Amino acid sequence: ETGVTQTPRHLVMGMTNKKSLKCEQHLGHNAMYWYKQSAKKPLELMFVYNFKEQTENNSVPSRFSPECPNSSHLFLHLHTLQPEDSALYLCASSQGVGGGNQPQHFGDGTRLSIL
Amino acid sequence: AQSVAQPEDQVNVAEGNPLTVKCTYSVSGNPYLFWYVQYPNRGLQFLLKYITGDNLVKGSYGFEAEFNKSQTSFHLKKPSALVSDSALYFCAVNLGGYGGATNKLIFGTGTLLAVQP
Repeated sequence: ETGVTQTPRHLVMGMTNKKSLKCEQHLGHNAMYWYKQSAKKPLELMFVYNFKEQTENNSVPSRFSPECPNSSHLFLHLHTLQPEDSALYLCASSQGVGGGNQPQHFGDGTRLSIL
Repeated sequence: AQSVAQPEDQVNVAEGNPLTVKCTYSVSGNPYLFWYVQYPNRGLQFLLKYITGDNLVKGSYGFEAEFNKSQTSFHLKKPSALVSDSALYFCAVNLGGYGGATNKLIFGTGTLLAVQP
């Protein structure tokens, strides 16, 4: 599916580096999400944006900083990460956050490795 | 606490046989229920959802799921498995419920489906 595009697909960084993950959706959706996927654990919702406004921050450490300049783009800025932050980071979008009956559409993720 | 359980880490089935991937949930109210599939090195793909109405819902790739309110279950089924069905399957519950104001999903830990030729 090319509706939600994430770049880069793979990222290796040191704990002192600063990098950003990018997500772009071409589906005309109004809501965007960041998830963390670690092995043997359920997907963890990190942030939710609806019409560019953050509506959910699931107690995410401040070393993760999201940015949503418009309804089509979502960024996750990373700085001074820890080894336990190594995971697959998934972006998703949906028609909106209201109602809850609309499925979320996922990108293919960024595989992040912290050295 | 609200949660979703997928009791089997892995399900093995021979090609051509029926398959079932189990999911139970523990949430208050009337949740919306979803199944997603994840192929290697890919994101999650939406398979099907239950919102209301008929307890048996049909989705993509020949999959279906049966909602059972009394057992709080939403098992995924397919009458005849294909090798290409081998993937990781996630059950999810939306806490929004009927007319809820959130699209927050709670996911299970996933079940790896392995279909042998």
